[in-house]
Amino acid sequence: SQTIHQWPATLVQPVGSPLSLECTVEGTSNPNLYWYRQAAGRGLQLLFYSVGIGQISSEVPQNLSASRPQDRQFILSSKKLLLSDSGFYLCAWSQGWLSYEQYFGPGTRLTVT
Amino acid sequence: SQKIEQNSEALNIQEGKTATLTCNYTNYSPAYLQWYRQDPGRGPVFLLLIRENEKEKRKERLKVTFDTTLKQSLFHITASQPADSATYLCALGFTGGFKTIFGAGTRLFVKA
Repeated sequence: SQTIHQWPATLVQPVGSPLSLECTVEGTSNPNLYWYRQAAGRGLQLLFYSVGIGQISSEVPQNLSASRPQDRQFILSSKKLLLSDSGFYLCAWSQGWLSYEQYFGPGTRLTVT
Repeated sequence: SQKIEQNSEALNIQEGKTATLTCNYTNYSPAYLQWYRQDPGRGPVFLLLIRENEKEKRKERLKVTFDTTLKQSLFHITASQPADSATYLCALGFTGGFKTIFGAGTRLFVKA
């Protein structure tokens, strides 16, 4: 069966510090991968998605970036965090053209102070 | 402008009753619509997907309808239980399959 891992679970970082969140998927190959952010009481905002290694599409211009160095690894980064980057970050995968449903990881709660 | 709206207020119902949640959208033409359940502090869990050419979909106690003329989906939970208490998110999907637009969700409380 497939599983998706995210770490860390929680993170408190000062403004201006760098960020690296990691997501890995097991039990599948060539998944579509997604990064979302969820602000309190709001819907999920799609940040990036990837259909293959090295292929990243950005939905919202901001100080975040994403990379996919391996088939089942997706990384979200920032060089300098802003207060507005605080939120609940979720990684998800879907099986490409076979199905549209997305499977989410446990999330990372980021607080920028 | 483009919008996807779900009941912003929480829905409180008595155990055993049917819960009905609404998802309305404006200026989108989705190819399919999905419903997810999210518990506090956790990632959403996929429940049901309905395509634009389908009127209704069922899975156990869950039923989803999709009216592309009204631009609305209704999500029903029959014989609701306290364990159904959660936030329910609707999400629009489009041809190509990658970009998904999520609503803010509706909190459901089922009282025993």
